[in-house]
Amino acid sequence: DARVTQTPRHKVTEMGQEVTMRCQPILGHNTVFWYRQTMMQGLELLAYFRNRAPLDDSGMPKDRFSAEMPDATLATLKIQPSEPRDSAVYFCASGYGSSYNEQFFGPGTRLTVL
Amino acid sequence: TQLLEQSPQFLSIQEGENLTVYCNSSSVFSSLQWYRQEPGEGPVLLVTVVTGGEVKKLKRLTFQFGDARKDSSLHITAAQPGDTGLYLCAGRATDSWGKFQFGAGTQVVVTP
Repeated sequence: DARVTQTPRHKVTEMGQEVTMRCQPILGHNTVFWYRQTMMQGLELLAYFRNRAPLDDSGMPKDRFSAEMPDATLATLKIQPSEPRDSAVYFCASGYGSSYNEQFFGPGTRLTVL
Repeated sequence: TQLLEQSPQFLSIQEGENLTVYCNSSSVFSSLQWYRQEPGEGPVLLVTVVTGGEVKKLKRLTFQFGDARKDSSLHITAAQPGDTGLYLCAGRATDSWGKFQFGAGTQVVVTP
């Protein structure tokens, strides 16, 4: 049963620290999405990759957030420096990039910045 | 950026009752998806609709895409406690390369 995996599942850190979240997309998928979910804003798209190339990161605060895909099996989302307002659940999703653009979500990383 | 509005925000019903949740926008979508999310997990895709007026059925769930492709509904017949969750709709704009905009969701609670 292929699934998107995310690590860590939970992260508590102090303001100003660097946070790195990792995602392993489903083998064979060529699209990867990063989302952030909060009670106030719901699910927001942060970044989108196709064939490891970033297509859209307009939803991401550029000064502190960065997203990369070092290889086809790993996507990373970094926050440096972290702020309390970054506290949220961060989801990674992957898909085939078909016309239906089905996305398979990972279990998320719950980030708390104190 | 188009806005997807979901209603109601919260719905609590008894097992066996029917329910309908709505997803509306002033914008036209090339396709629309429905997801269910349970606590502590990521959203799980239920269905994708792409044709105006399309109706899809998944066991007790019926999904409809509006004729103008601006709205959608999800109807659950004879709800069960296992249907409890956050139901999210996500629409892809006609000029989008594949980016989906999510609604805020409808929290459904089905009690035995």
